[in-house]
Amino acid sequence: KQEVTQIPAALSVPEGENLVLNCSFTDSAIYNLQWFRQDPGKGLTSLLLIQSSQREQTSGRLNASLDKSSGRSTLYIAASQPGDSATYLCAVRQDTGFQKLVFGTGTRLLVSP
Amino acid sequence: DGGITQSPKYLFRKEGQNVTLSCEQNLNHDAMYWYRQDPGQGLRLIYYSQIVNDFQKGDIAEGYSVSREKKESFPLTVTSAQKNPTAFYLCASSISWGGAKNIQYFGAGTRLSVL
Repeated sequence: KQEVTQIPAALSVPEGENLVLNCSFTDSAIYNLQWFRQDPGKGLTSLLLIQSSQREQTSGRLNASLDKSSGRSTLYIAASQPGDSATYLCAVRQDTGFQKLVFGTGTRLLVSP
Repeated sequence: DGGITQSPKYLFRKEGQNVTLSCEQNLNHDAMYWYRQDPGQGLRLIYYSQIVNDFQKGDIAEGYSVSREKKESFPLTVTSAQKNPTAFYLCASSISWGGAKNIQYFGAGTRLSVL
């Protein structure tokens, strides 16, 4: 059974810092991995999607990497801003059978001005 | 505006009552999903529908029911059999179920509480 873990559960940084959020998964048979952002009481917004054949994806100040063999992904946020404060979720899509998304529990990020 | 609309934003359920959460999408997507989110836990799949008039149980379907009579609508009923319904419910849709087109877009959610 696929399990997705995100560390740390919460992170507080001052504005301007670069930071890394971690996601690990137990079964490497994945189709892709996706990073989402969730603001309090809101739905999920997709940030980056990495196919299993890719190593990384970039969008603006965000860079996500994937090491499928070791079961790890990182989300790198450069020059953090208070507007980046949110919960970040990673989710993997299984490559076998029922191709559902399996979500991690998230990292709650607070960027202070 | 294209997107997924969930209503109501907040819902309260009395003991023994069934309540229905609405999810409507105008993205012309074939597949739709319902997730439950509890504090400190990841999203868990309740039901999904690959196409109109078809739906399947997810990981935690007990105490819930759905219908998919129209492509754009996928309502979720929380029945009295669901003993712990307090949670944040999220609806999602994707162009199709399989392959690269299964990129899911989410609604804003409904927060259900028990009175």
